[in-house]
Amino acid sequence: EVQLVESGGGLVQPGRSLRLSCAASGFTFDDYAMHWVRQVPGKGLEWVSGISWNSDIIGYADSVKGRFTISRDNTKNSLYLQMNSLGPEDTALYYCAKEIRPIPQTGVDYWGQGALVSVSS
Amino acid sequence: QSALTQPASVSGSPGQSITISCTGTRSDVGDYNYVSWYQQHPGKAPKLIIFDVSNRPSGISSRFSGSKSGNTASLTISGLQAEDEADYYCNSYRRSSTLSWVFGGGTKLTVL
Repeated sequence: EVQLVESGGGLVQPGRSLRLSCAASGFTFDDYAMHWVRQVPGKGLEWVSGISWNSDIIGYADSVKGRFTISRDNTKNSLYLQMNSLGPEDTALYYCAKEIRPIPQTGVDYWGQGALVSVSS
Repeated sequence: QSALTQPASVSGSPGQSITISCTGTRSDVGDYNYVSWYQQHPGKAPKLIIFDVSNRPSGISSRFSGSKSGNTASLTISGLQAEDEADYYCNSYRRSSTLSWVFGGGTKLTVL
């Protein structure tokens, strides 16, 4: 059974940093690309970042470019999102999601339950 | 990055068919067959129902179908059932200098 378990969310002050982690199991992690997608409660989905199976292809939404960094450790079956210079607009539920293919372009077939990030003073 | 355009809401009666549109540009929907659709019930994570414009993942009912014409993709749900009431999102790969994805704003489906 595919499982994606996010951790690292919480309440943080504006301007501070937070690192999200996603522990993957139930599939061959290094065969697939991965994504982070966020959702403000009650609002729509927003793609945040994606990374190919071997980390060669990486992309970010304009809203987080230069502040967020995605990475993965295939030896630990883990995906990460380093979030710096956080602002209130980053408050959302962050989903870790598994891509259908090795390259991040098709769609995501499995989602975690999400990690809530709240940015407030 | 502007979102793909979806109607805010659609509705239909049980047994009927409905179609949700997803309009993009030549940089995303128009130029790539990497359109996917997701169903999200309240308090739940999204669920993939269509990928590559018209392919259904294993276990997804054949009542769900996808298509594309020009810059607009469409999701059709036939034989509406009460459990189809949910939010639906489209998503597309977008041409850019780096990897880029974009979601639609979402459509609330109400089964009357």
